[in-house]
Amino acid sequence: KAGVTQTPRYLIKTRGQQVTLSCSPISGHRSVSWYQQTPGQGLQFLFEYFSETQRNKGNFPGRFSGRQFSNSRSEMNVSTLELGDSALYLCASSPPSLGLGPYEQYFGPGTRLTVT
Amino acid sequence: GNSVTQMEGPVTLSEEAFLTINCTYTATGYPSLFWYVQYPGEGLQLLLKATKADDKGSNKGFEATYRKETTSFHLEKGSVQVSDSAVYFCALSASRSSGDKLTFGTGTRLAVRP
Repeated sequence: KAGVTQTPRYLIKTRGQQVTLSCSPISGHRSVSWYQQTPGQGLQFLFEYFSETQRNKGNFPGRFSGRQFSNSRSEMNVSTLELGDSALYLCASSPPSLGLGPYEQYFGPGTRLTVT
Repeated sequence: GNSVTQMEGPVTLSEEAFLTINCTYTATGYPSLFWYVQYPGEGLQLLLKATKADDKGSNKGFEATYRKETTSFHLEKGSVQVSDSAVYFCALSASRSSGDKLTFGTGTRLAVRP
């Protein structure tokens, strides 16, 4: 079974531009989460989508947004890029619920975004 | 809110040494606990998990026991290898009813010398 894929792997953008990152979850997974990883702040939760609905949201400004499609693929968008948005953006998917217990997340390789 | 505290790194060990990376957590309810590993230039890989008190997760020689009384989930390995050099993250997930959000610790870098 193919793992979580993210495109592109690397991206260089200029301050003020916007960017869209894409994530394809493991087949059959319906929950997709996004995280930002930086040396200073570590791993921070951005948002989670389940069945095309945002189920959970972290403490990021409105410039960060996302969506999920009917095939569970997800995109995140960052508008008006700032230098501080330079980070590794990780996408993760979770298997379908068989009970109430939290399930592990499977991560993609990430998209390395550099803002100049 | 929920939080995870890990021991500061880097941790430097010689090959075949014993490894312990401490992890404690604060959470409401009964979280599930995870250890993830990140190799250079890669995403996170699930190493092991435990979903209830006294559960022991194990994988590739690594072990961690969910201790509710001490709110801890320390990672251990009896004999490390050079290939274990990576960054290790402890994480928790509070409840699936509130989504699959993971709360991570700051990560502990492990370097193993031959």
